Amino acid sequence: DAKTTQPTSMDCAEGRAANLPCNHSTISGNEYVYWYRQIHSQGPQYIIHGLKNNETNEMASLIITEDRKSSTLILPHATLRDTAVYYCIVRSGGSQGNLIFGKGTKLSVKP
Amino acid sequence: DGGITQSPKYLFRKEGQNVTLSCEQNLNHDAMYWYRQDPGQGLRLIYYSQIVNDFQKGDIAEGYSVSREKKESFPLTVTSAQKNPTAFYLCASSMGHSRPYQPQHFGDGTRLSIL
Repeated sequence: DAKTTQPTSMDCAEGRAANLPCNHSTISGNEYVYWYRQIHSQGPQYIIHGLKNNETNEMASLIITEDRKSSTLILPHATLRDTAVYYCIVRSGGSQGNLIFGKGTKLSVKP
Repeated sequence: DGGITQSPKYLFRKEGQNVTLSCEQNLNHDAMYWYRQDPGQGLRLIYYSQIVNDFQKGDIAEGYSVSREKKESFPLTVTSAQKNPTAFYLCASSMGHSRPYQPQHFGDGTRLSIL
């Protein structure tokens, strides 16, 4: 599975959009991009995933560049409860199970 | 509500003791997984199971054992052979081979400490 690169930390003002970038320049054609977040002492929470089209659900939007080498997770109106570590993971469906979580981005939403 | 239930939330083990962590899911998922997370680290795969009565070792299976007798349940035993068992243990499930691109969903974890 391809490796991802994310900034170590980001700040966002409450009520504003949070845009979290992820680079995955070695992604292959059958690999999806998944986003999870983990609030301290809880299990990771699935947010969204996509292959090449932009995706939106009730939690967030995922924008994938046309060359698929990078993506951005957008939380449209960040709240204090969105403070967490956000993980971008690239994985093929053929993988036998391993979700490789890197260090992620620590998002701090401030009042 | 459908979900994954891990119990207990906190567990303490004495030296030389085996302990079993429970994981139950009512999502009708075929695949289940156990991960370990150490402070400030990512998740590492211990064992996974794609179907009942079958399971495979992950990256760090030594000192652990599992069973998958029912679709809903995937208990993890931390044996006395695991020399550094203090960690946060996470169970996950997914649709498995039938929908391989669908995401894994996680429980809230069990924090194991050694007395």
